[in-house]
Amino acid sequence: AQRVTQPEKLLSVFKGAPVELKCNYSYSGSPELFWYVQYSRQRLQLLLRHISRESIKGFTADLNKGETSFHLKKPFAQEEDSAMYYCALRSGNNDMRFGAGTRLTVKP
Amino acid sequence: EAEVAQSPRYKITEKSQAVAFWCDPISGHATLYWYRQILGQGPELLVQFQDESVVDDSQLPKDRFSAERLKGVDSTLKIQPAELGDSAMYLCASNDDGLAKNIQYFGAGTRLSVL
Repeated sequence: AQRVTQPEKLLSVFKGAPVELKCNYSYSGSPELFWYVQYSRQRLQLLLRHISRESIKGFTADLNKGETSFHLKKPFAQEEDSAMYYCALRSGNNDMRFGAGTRLTVKP
Repeated sequence: EAEVAQSPRYKITEKSQAVAFWCDPISGHATLYWYRQILGQGPELLVQFQDESVVDDSQLPKDRFSAERLKGVDSTLKIQPAELGDSAMYLCASNDDGLAKNIQYFGAGTRLSVL
């Protein structure tokens, strides 16, 4: 069965510092991985997905199949990045599993 | 910009009562999902529809939960009878079958409190 683990419930950094939100997964097949974000008083929305290999709002994430990880990174955090971040895995039968989430706080 | 609509936003009920939540996906989206999100956890899939058909309801507690999407458009999730442990946010999401088929768009959710 597939599983997504986000080891940090809370992460706090100062503005301008690098940030990395960790995500590890377990899945025997070929996964499709996503990062979703929920800003205060907004609905859950897609931030990025690994197949797009793009940078969104300065964030990037690389799928590491050897380490079964999909960590989210940003070199210089901004206060507006403060939000709840969820890593998600989509299996071959379209079953989507979410991690428990990491609350990122960027301090001024 | 089109959005997934959910109602009500909040629902307070007593245990053993029946509750129902409604979701209207983005127009044209064939796939619809209901998730339950308990405080401090990520969303957990309850049921997935493709048009009017259930694709996956393996995580739906069928003794008390039911879901339908009769015309393949909007959907209703029902709980009868509600239990204290059902208190959670219930999220609806949809995605299309086109190029962006793996991107789910979420509604604002219905927050259920069972007293």
